[in-house]
Amino acid sequence: NAGVMQNPRHLVRRRGQEARLRCSPMKGHSHVYWYRQLPEEGLKFMVYLQKENIIDESGMPKERFSAEFPKEGPSILRIQQVVRGDSAAYFCATTKANEVAKNIQYFGAGTRLSVL
Amino acid sequence: DAKTTQPPSMDCAEGRAANLPCNHSTISGNEYVYWYRQIHSQGPQYIIHGLKNNETNEMASLIITEDRKSSTLILPHATLRDTAVYYCIVLNAGNNRKLIWGLGTSLAVNP
Repeated sequence: NAGVMQNPRHLVRRRGQEARLRCSPMKGHSHVYWYRQLPEEGLKFMVYLQKENIIDESGMPKERFSAEFPKEGPSILRIQQVVRGDSAAYFCATTKANEVAKNIQYFGAGTRLSVL
Repeated sequence: DAKTTQPPSMDCAEGRAANLPCNHSTISGNEYVYWYRQIHSQGPQYIIHGLKNNETNEMASLIITEDRKSSTLILPHATLRDTAVYYCIVLNAGNNRKLIWGLGTSLAVNP
């Protein structure tokens, strides 16, 4: 996990505030996936991005959630007007462009969001 | 993608082999079997994957039955650090890259 960096590790927000979660891929990785894990549940896919493009956002709630992966800098998962139900662990995973077919994803340590 | 079924929990003695089963009876010909694990409070970690032949790497071995309807992940000499939730995921090699996660098997390695 050391190669994929997520920050912050822990984030506390009050209801109605915005949460911004960052994911810096491993060197040479240009594909990013975001997953959400509620307590005592498995991970749920949210969005899959390549540099500057959203490839699959079928798991992303239609409102309040957005993701980007700019040409420079980390991928950002943004949650506006957070509610208590957004409290979860958010993981990002990355792959190299020439290894996408292998489906081997390298995960970060996650950001644990707590909404008060 | 095919659905998988795993036992919710298993125990294993330290130093013994841990054999984790997975049923995927609806698997299709172009679908691979992947195993990941998640140690408590950490991100998931890739272990191994295979199509139809048995596979081995430095972490584990993967045994896939001839009809491909089930598989077994083998940790040959389990240690306390192998205590984790193990996920079996079936995925085709097409354009859909997202991993679909079940609840996995919670493996407890006991001293």
